[in-house]
Amino acid sequence: AQSVTQLGSHVSVSEGALVLLRCNYSSSVPPYLFWYVQYPNQGLQLLLKYTSAATLVKGINGFEAEFKKSETSFHLTKPSAHMSDAAEYFCAVSDGGGSNYKLTFGKGTLLTVNP
Amino acid sequence: NAGVMQNPRHLVRRRGQEARLRCSPMKGHSHVYWYRQLPEEGLKFMVYLQKENIIDESGMPKERFSAEFPKEGPSILRIQQVVRGDSAAYFCASSPEDSYTEAFFGQGTRLTVV
Repeated sequence: AQSVTQLGSHVSVSEGALVLLRCNYSSSVPPYLFWYVQYPNQGLQLLLKYTSAATLVKGINGFEAEFKKSETSFHLTKPSAHMSDAAEYFCAVSDGGGSNYKLTFGKGTLLTVNP
Repeated sequence: NAGVMQNPRHLVRRRGQEARLRCSPMKGHSHVYWYRQLPEEGLKFMVYLQKENIIDESGMPKERFSAEFPKEGPSILRIQQVVRGDSAAYFCASSPEDSYTEAFFGQGTRLTVV
């Protein structure tokens, strides 16, 4: 069974600062990994995904994430935060096998961007 | 191309009533998934449906909950005799036939049981 741990339920950064949101996973099979963003009263929007191709994945809005198998991590980064990045971010994992439609989500990290 | 449409956006039910949540997938998508988000929790998988078939309902509570995706019309998540613990945001996602990883989520239905 898969599980996801997001370190830090709340992260606060200044506008222009580096954004780093941490995600560690456990999976008994090669995983697919995802980051989603949820703006207030909105659905989840896919930021990026890793599906066993390049380990450094680039997504929308300047975000990227690196799959590190040895550390079982998939941390999300952005070099320079913008006010519009304030939202809740969810890391998710699915197994790469027969039930890869089933996502297991972390509890989320609320990102606050200060002017 | 409209996204995944869920309605209603907000639903208030008294304990013991029934709740019906609707999800219209994106055009061309034949796979539908329901997830529940309890307060302070991540989303939890409930059920995966294709047209007229339940593929995986391993995340559905054993009682009071049911889901369907008929040949025509939206997918329905039905909760009978709601209790306070059913209060949550319910999200629907859809994906095309050949790519589970291209799932798109709707805006969710926030159910409040009073």
